[in-house]
Amino acid sequence: QSLLTQPPSVSGAPGQRVTISCTGSSSNIGGGYDVNWYQQLPGTVPKLLIYGDDNRPSGVPDRFSGSKSGTSASLAISGLQPEDEADYYCQSYDGSLSGLWAFGGGTKLTVL
Amino acid sequence: QITLKESGPTVVKPTQTLTLTCTFSGFSLTTTRVAVGWIRQPPGKALEWLALLYWDDDKLYNPSLRSRLAVTKGTSSNQVVLTMTDMDPVDTATYHCVYRPSAGYIDSWGQGILVTVSS
Repeated sequence: QSLLTQPPSVSGAPGQRVTISCTGSSSNIGGGYDVNWYQQLPGTVPKLLIYGDDNRPSGVPDRFSGSKSGTSASLAISGLQPEDEADYYCQSYDGSLSGLWAFGGGTKLTVL
Repeated sequence: QITLKESGPTVVKPTQTLTLTCTFSGFSLTTTRVAVGWIRQPPGKALEWLALLYWDDDKLYNPSLRSRLAVTKGTSSNQVVLTMTDMDPVDTATYHCVYRPSAGYIDSWGQGILVTVSS
């Protein structure tokens, strides 16, 4: 059972905008800890997409954006492209127990 | 350029202990706030964080696996070792080591090593 909850799948047509939610609790996202997002294209290792809630590493298109409010975070992808079809994971730190990394269960994005 | 590479057995038998080594370059584990982590991914399933080793030798473990895991610095300054005891077929997964800079996100991933648990 993941500490961070993501929808198993989302879909959208090329050019559309989709959002992926990541719901946590007061011990992780709600506790002010940064949320990071990773994109895993088929057959590859995950790649950092968004860090520190809403920052894009260099090279990541501005079609990708992150936000956070309360105990949830979201990844938005606008102008959907076929190559965006991938699995997306949110990740944060959880301050419960002695501290730990928390991952979401992943969301499969299908570009219709 | 930061690189990480996992090495170790690709097949282990149930109840055996798995030992994986992460050999890295492009950063130092003595740099303040830097960490090396281990994450696994069963075939077709989600990422699961296992352990984190900080620059100051502090360690964090996934609570659900804590009793079976140990992460240590290797004999070389650019190595980190993960041991996992009492392996079971459900532990079959690709095991990745990752680099976490001071900022807290995962900056780089090793290619991963697929470990199959089978008798």
